[in-house]
This record gives sequence, structure tokens and C-alpha cells, in this order.
Amino acid sequence: GAGVSQSPSNKVTEKGKDVELRCDPISGHTALYWYRQRLGQGLEFLIYFQGNSAPDKSGLPSDRFSAERTGESVSTLTIQRTQQEDSAVYLCASSLVGSGGIQETQYFGPGTRLLVL
Amino acid sequence: DQQVKQNSPSLSVQEGRISILNCDYTNSMFDYFLWYKKYPAEGPTFLISISSIKDKNEDGRFTVFLNKSAKHLSLHIVPSQPGDSAVYFCAASARNNAGNMLTFGGGTRLMVKP
Repeated sequence: GAGVSQSPSNKVTEKGKDVELRCDPISGHTALYWYRQRLGQGLEFLIYFQGNSAPDKSGLPSDRFSAERTGESVSTLTIQRTQQEDSAVYLCASSLVGSGGIQETQYFGPGTRLLVL
Repeated sequence: DQQVKQNSPSLSVQEGRISILNCDYTNSMFDYFLWYKKYPAEGPTFLISISSIKDKNEDGRFTVFLNKSAKHLSLHIVPSQPGDSAVYFCAASARNNAGNMLTFGGGTRLMVKP
């Protein structure tokens, strides 16, 4: 498929455990974003990657959250010592970067539904 | 502090009629606005966008209007179809800033009745 893919689609974990979420962006998209959607709320920005630049981590809610991206491909979002308030849908998006460094429309994956018991 | 607000959590419309979804923003740095549609258990799907240099953009049954002075945008769907039933998110970004992360509203659930 040509879209953004994410895995796993669902994850249930116990409080205190670490989880790792994966995102495969659209091929050729150099910009990659992670968002979070808690139940009944809008999407919250978490982190942004663009090429080899240092990621923008300004949206990460705590130091338990981290993310990596290998070149312009796969990204993993890691949540350490999960808490119940981490329960949410974690969405990944990717986009092209146009002339002048302007990011184009973001396209989203289906999300990973995380439930922390 | 919510920079993008969708004040109507839900909207019910009869099939064939017009659906109007509204969105307000507070950050004057926003210069690019988008609407996404989201079905249950799926990621948001891009619907239509508008740059701040325009006041209207149309794509088939979907039209987005931007009123910069009022910091307000709206999405018109006409005619509405039952398949349009979904949650619609308004999003905004400041494309002149590095990052271009989207700031989302809380969403409006649209129900189109046959």
C-alpha cells in the first residue's frame, strides 16, 4: 500500500511496562509527525522529524516519551514506565517538503490504540 | 489554551441538505488550514485545505471558507450524503515556522440522516 502504516494496531499493557510503537511513512515523505488523541479529545502534537535535522520534541508530555527515526524511513515512539493516562490513540503522519522548506499536507496512518491497565 | 476550537461537538443534517461545520482560531500566526475526516478505528483522512491568502477553496461537494479578520473558517458540504457521517477535525498550522505541526480542534461529529 502507498499509505502510512502503523503497528501494532492495538496494544494492551500493564502500568509500568515499556511499549514501542512503529510508523512506516509514505515513501519519499521526508517529514514525519507523531500525534496523540485521548478519548473524546482532539489530536495533540508530540514530535516532528525532518530529514537529518534534530527532531522537534516540544510536544512530548514527559521524559518517559521518546522517538527515533532512521533516515527518512521508519520511526518508533517509545513510552517507558507507562501510566494509565498514556492510554490513547497514537497517530503518525508524514508529508512532503516543498520549495522553501514548506511542509505539504500531512497524511495519517490508522493509529495504534494503546490501553494501559 | 485552545488555539483551535470547534464549538459544536455534533451536528445532525438530513441527506441532500447542506452541512456547515465551523472552526475558530486564536493564533494570528496560522496561515494554513485543513479539514480532516475521521471514521471510527481509522486515522484522519485529509479532506480540503486553504491558505491564508485565499478566502475560499472548493473541491466537489466540499467548500472551505476563511474569514481571517474573524479568525473563523467553515466547511460546507452540499449535498450531504449518509457516507459523510464521521468526525470532522479542523486543523491549523504556521507554515512559515519550522515544524509545521498541526494544531487540531476537538472535532465535530456529523450525522447525515437518510
